[in-house]
Amino acid sequence: GQQLNQSPQSMFIQEGEDVSMNCTSSSIFNTWLWYKQDPGEGPVLLIALYKAGELTSNGRLTAQFGITRKDSFLNISASIPSDVGIYFCAVRTTSGTYKYIFGTGTRLKVLA
Amino acid sequence: EAGVTQFPSHSVIEKGQTVTLRCDPISGHDNLYWYRRVMGKEIKFLLHFVKESKQDESGMPNNRFLAERTGGTYSTLKVQPAELEDSGVYFCASSQDPGYGYTFGSGTRLTVV
Repeated sequence: GQQLNQSPQSMFIQEGEDVSMNCTSSSIFNTWLWYKQDPGEGPVLLIALYKAGELTSNGRLTAQFGITRKDSFLNISASIPSDVGIYFCAVRTTSGTYKYIFGTGTRLKVLA
Repeated sequence: EAGVTQFPSHSVIEKGQTVTLRCDPISGHDNLYWYRRVMGKEIKFLLHFVKESKQDESGMPNNRFLAERTGGTYSTLKVQPAELEDSGVYFCASSQDPGYGYTFGSGTRLTVV
């Protein structure tokens, strides 16, 4: 089946540092999304990208939809302790059901 | 508005037993999805309801899994009989317009021992 390759698997960073993670696919997708899962909670949508080349920000988060439509990255600037969690990239399939394919996640730990 | 509610939050059962998970979507949301995350792996699609109809159940692993949404409100996902590989976190999500994303519940962590 279709897969998204998300990296890195985990990151340990110091508070205040910037973070970058990315996601690649062997197939083209027209919608890329980034979700965050806090411990004990469900995934929450951070940023949705609908156009190739699009760069979108949400506070300290910035995500880009790759020109080839096969990749995306997420940057977090000046990390804080509450950024801890698992970040998932996801793509929306082209079928009518709007189901998502998710990456395996990047686990982020922030050291104060 | 109330979010997507899932019950129970945790369930530990023995192999061979039956478990039923419940999801209450956000009121008025016609679209309801079930997803599952097995430890350390990606979150995988199981199925999609529109109101009470199954729109896509291509992600259901096998016939031990049965999902229902009677009356188009809450949904249940039954696993019978449970196997060890069914362990994971089961997420429910709902949306009125899934083209703009959907809201996930907190999940049910299922452990089969």
